[in-house]
Parts: sequence; structure tokens; C-alpha cells
Amino acid sequence: QVTLKESGPGMLQPSKTLSLTCSFSGFSLSTSGMVVSWIRQPSGKSLEWLAAIDWDGDKYYNPSLKSRLTVSKDTSNTQVFLKITSVDTADTATYYCARSPGGHWYFDFWGPGTMVTVSS
Amino acid sequence: DIQMTQSPASLSASLEEIVTITCQASQDIGNWLAWYQQKPGKSPQLLIYGATSLADGVPSRFSGSRSGTQYSLKISRLQVEDIGIYYCQQASSAPLTFGSGTKLEIK
Repeated sequence: QVTLKESGPGMLQPSKTLSLTCSFSGFSLSTSGMVVSWIRQPSGKSLEWLAAIDWDGDKYYNPSLKSRLTVSKDTSNTQVFLKITSVDTADTATYYCARSPGGHWYFDFWGPGTMVTVSS
Repeated sequence: DIQMTQSPASLSASLEEIVTITCQASQDIGNWLAWYQQKPGKSPQLLIYGATSLADGVPSRFSGSRSGTQYSLKISRLQVEDIGIYYCQQASSAPLTFGSGTKLEIK
């Protein structure tokens, strides 16, 4: 059974660094072609793909945010992390992690999301 | 970036009615197109991938088609459980991009 779950701070102040964790089970990120992405969604708005890391450790970023993003994974291939530096109110959103198997970029399993509010 | 222009923004239809949602890609993405359904307070669920392939467990009343760079999602007989917001997503090249969404309601 494939599951993913995001965790984060809930709320943080502007200019701080946001750290998010995606914990997953039912699959391994070491499987050839597997990718885990981070996607966010401000309330009432559409989805924005942020970053991804694949089974080989290659990293992919949305150029619009690349300078502020760092994606990584743990050595056991059961967690993926995302850091966003210098947050501001525009980063307030629900953050999802999602899986893409088989070397393609469709998201077949998603976590429930974690809501992050940036506020002073 | 590849822009995905989705229409309509909202749609109200009767039960059993046929519903069609479209997405126009700003450039050729081949069949690298997915559709998702998002219910209130939930994460998106994959419906269609490869423009026309039904994801596991998705009812057969959902179908996808392509004409050039225009993609369509059709619900053949609208059911109550189909209400939600539908998004298209291009999977051709990074950055991956989504349409703006179509909110589907029952009339």
C-alpha cells in the first residue's frame, strides 16, 4: 500500500527557512524511474510544481523558485525533504508531495498535504 | 514554460449529463497530459494519464482525448460523486505545469 505524508512547521515568520518532510511507504525511491515531487497550492488557487528528486539522486527545480529551493532525500530512501529559504506571505499554501513511477511525470499517489502559513 | 489554458473555469451540469473540460497547451506536448480530480479538503487524484489512459480504479465514464494541442476530459454520465475541481497537467517538460482548474457542480 503506497502512502505519503507531509510534515512541516504549520506557521513561520517571513524571511525564515521553511523545512518540509515527506515520509512515504509502500515503495522505494531507489527503484529505477521513481520520482518524488513537491507541489504546492495556495488556498483557492491552482497547483504549482516546485521540485523533484529521482531514484538516482538527480534533482529538478522550478526555475521561478530555484534559487530558494533545496530538495534532498535520506539514505534509506523513505523520506524526501524540501527547504525554501527567505519565505514571505506568498509562500502560504498547502504543500504536497507526490510520487511519479516509471520514469514519467504523472503523479499517481499524493500525500494529504501540510498547510503552511507565513505570517509575522 | 508551457502554459496550460483550461476552460471553462466553472461548470454546472445535471446528473447523467455529458460534461467536457478542455485544456490547450501553448506548445506541442504530445500525449504527455494528465487529468486530476480534487475534492474539497483533499489532495488531487489522478484520473487520466498519457492523454487517454484511465488510471487504476477510475470509473469508465471518464475518458480523455487529444486533438493537436487541445486536450479534453469527458464525463459521460455525471454522478454526484464527480463534483470537485479538475486540473490538467503537462508532463512533457520541466517545469511541470497545471491548468487553472474547472470547478464542477451539480445543477
